[in-house]
Amino acid sequence: EAQVTQNPRYLITVTGKKLTVTCSQNMNHEYMSWYRQDPGLGLRQIYYSMNVEVTDKGDVPEGYKVSRKEKRNFPLILESPSPNQTSLYFCASSPLLYQETQYFGPGTRLLVL
Amino acid sequence: AQKITQTQPGMFVQEKEAVTLDCTYDTSDQSYGLFWYKQPSSGEMIFLIYQGSYDEQNATEGRYSLNFQKARKSANLVISASQLGDSAMYFCAMREGRRSGGSNYKLTFGKGTLLTVNP
Repeated sequence: EAQVTQNPRYLITVTGKKLTVTCSQNMNHEYMSWYRQDPGLGLRQIYYSMNVEVTDKGDVPEGYKVSRKEKRNFPLILESPSPNQTSLYFCASSPLLYQETQYFGPGTRLLVL
Repeated sequence: AQKITQTQPGMFVQEKEAVTLDCTYDTSDQSYGLFWYKQPSSGEMIFLIYQGSYDEQNATEGRYSLNFQKARKSANLVISASQLGDSAMYFCAMREGRRSGGSNYKLTFGKGTLLTVNP
């Protein structure tokens, strides 16, 4: 089954404790992206990658890191989480075409205390 | 300036009636795609329908249709015969075709419309 998986689905952590949210896709997509969703703001892009070892900042990259060592995986790293990073996070993947929808993972709900 | 504008924070509709959710967009590109997603209370993002900028006919997918008016830069979602399960947040999004100028193939989302279907 074609899918994007994210782990963990739910996470409660404390300020400053490094965490990683994993993302994996099995569709051989070139493009992968991380979004965060906050009430009243829609989804905003954090980072994206157009291929292995090619990553760049989106609209709200502060406080986040990513890597793309393999085509299927695109982890999101919060080295020192803060309460303002409490949010719903989505990983998405797609071919590198504007005509194609992005396939979203199930989301990760993060609470930073 | 916002690239995607959804002016209706919330909408109510009676079961079995049709409803239109508004979306206007702003782009200088000739090549772009417009998408609608549904987000139920469980949180997942469900792709509903796509309209390409060069498509001359309005897209349809089952009970969903997209009323595409290119000159007005609008891409309204029409849901026919509403069902209780249609109650959800609906997002309009655009994906621009050019790689320069910061578009980077990302989806730019509106802020969403919360649809409630009443029995």
